[in-house]
Amino acid sequence: DAKTTQPNSMESNEEEPVHLPCNHSTISGTDYIHWYRQLPSQGPEYVIHGLTSNVNNRMASLAIAEDRKSSTLILHRATLRDAAVYYCILNGGSNYKLTFGKGTLLTVNP
Amino acid sequence: DAMVIQNPRYQVTQFGKPVTLSCSQTLNHNVMYWYQQKSSQAPKLLFHYYDKDFNNEADTPDNFQSRRPNTSFCFLDIRSPGLGDAAMYLCATSRVARAIETQYFGPGTRLLVL
Repeated sequence: DAKTTQPNSMESNEEEPVHLPCNHSTISGTDYIHWYRQLPSQGPEYVIHGLTSNVNNRMASLAIAEDRKSSTLILHRATLRDAAVYYCILNGGSNYKLTFGKGTLLTVNP
Repeated sequence: DAMVIQNPRYQVTQFGKPVTLSCSQTLNHNVMYWYQQKSSQAPKLLFHYYDKDFNNEADTPDNFQSRRPNTSFCFLDIRSPGLGDAAMYLCATSRVARAIETQYFGPGTRLLVL
């Protein structure tokens, strides 16, 4: 499985943008980049996913490097409710499973 | 709202006493997954069902089994829980088994083994 590398933790202030990086230098051409987050005492929830192009949805934006070896999850205006562990996960081809890494613990300061 | 439901949210069992955790879904999804998440760790896939086909992960202990009597329900059976099995157990679903598919998670059942 292609591996991802994320910072252990990041901190942000409320109502400021947050850029969460993910490195995946061994990504293959068919791998999707998924982001999930897990709020305290809850199950993970889907945030966004992409293949090659940048993606936007109501929760976040996903910026994918041209060589696809890294990506950035962008929360445009962080709120206290965005405090969570954010997981960047690759899968693709016949591998449809999610293999969670350690993720990034995002702290949002009021 | 369509969702993934896990009951109970907290389950206490005794060392060696069989326990069953339940998951139901109203999404009518074909795939149901069970994950184990120990304290301060990431979720780890135990096994999943694609329709009636059971798929076990290679490193899932034999102590863990699963049943899926119909599309909506899936159960996790722990035959003889040990102290090391105390964890959050997460159920998830996806429409089909494809890499692009989103997985929808339940709130989890936290298992305590005394």
